[in-house]
Amino acid sequence: AQSVTQLGSHVSVSEGALVLLRCNYSSSVPPYLFWYVQYPNQGLQLLLKYTTGATLVKGINGFEAEFKKSETSFHLTKPSAHMSDAAEYFCALFEWGNTPLVFGKGTRLSVIA
Amino acid sequence: DVKVTQSSRYLVKRTGEKVFLECVQDMDHENMFWYRQDPGLGLRLIYFSYDVKMKEKGDIPEGYSVSREKKERFSLILESASTNQTSMYLCASSLSGQSSYEQYFGPGTRLTVT
Repeated sequence: AQSVTQLGSHVSVSEGALVLLRCNYSSSVPPYLFWYVQYPNQGLQLLLKYTTGATLVKGINGFEAEFKKSETSFHLTKPSAHMSDAAEYFCALFEWGNTPLVFGKGTRLSVIA
Repeated sequence: DVKVTQSSRYLVKRTGEKVFLECVQDMDHENMFWYRQDPGLGLRLIYFSYDVKMKEKGDIPEGYSVSREKKERFSLILESASTNQTSMYLCASSLSGQSSYEQYFGPGTRLTVT
């Protein structure tokens, strides 16, 4: 069965520091992978997605993620954190034939001034 | 822009009440979904629907039912609300077929059952 594991329920970084949010997945077929962001009291917004092709994908607000099949990982990075990046981040997986996305449990990112 | 709206942002209900949460999307999407979100548990799928009058159970359907009489509207029903159903409820929609993976979310309804 497919699954998504996000390492670390809470990550805290200083403003200007590197952001690294970890996501590992389990899937029997090549999956599509996503990162969603949720700002306080809002719904989820798509940050970036990997479907096929280039394994390094860029999203909104300077975030990017790299699909590594050998490591079954899809970690999210941003070179320099901004206070406005404070939010909850969800990694999600999609397998053809299974319409609903499978979500990780989320990682709350705090940015310290 | 796809818009998914939910009828209430905040709702307070009493134990035993029947509760309706409404979700409407304006992009003619075939698929619609209801999730609940709890701290430390992430998003858990309650029900989803591929088409009008069709529904499928998700991971945690117990205590919930759904209704989809029109394509644009998907309702979540708590037949007899209980305190353990206090949560954030998120609705989402997507196209079918090639783009079915791209889900669009509403702002959520924070339900408190007292």
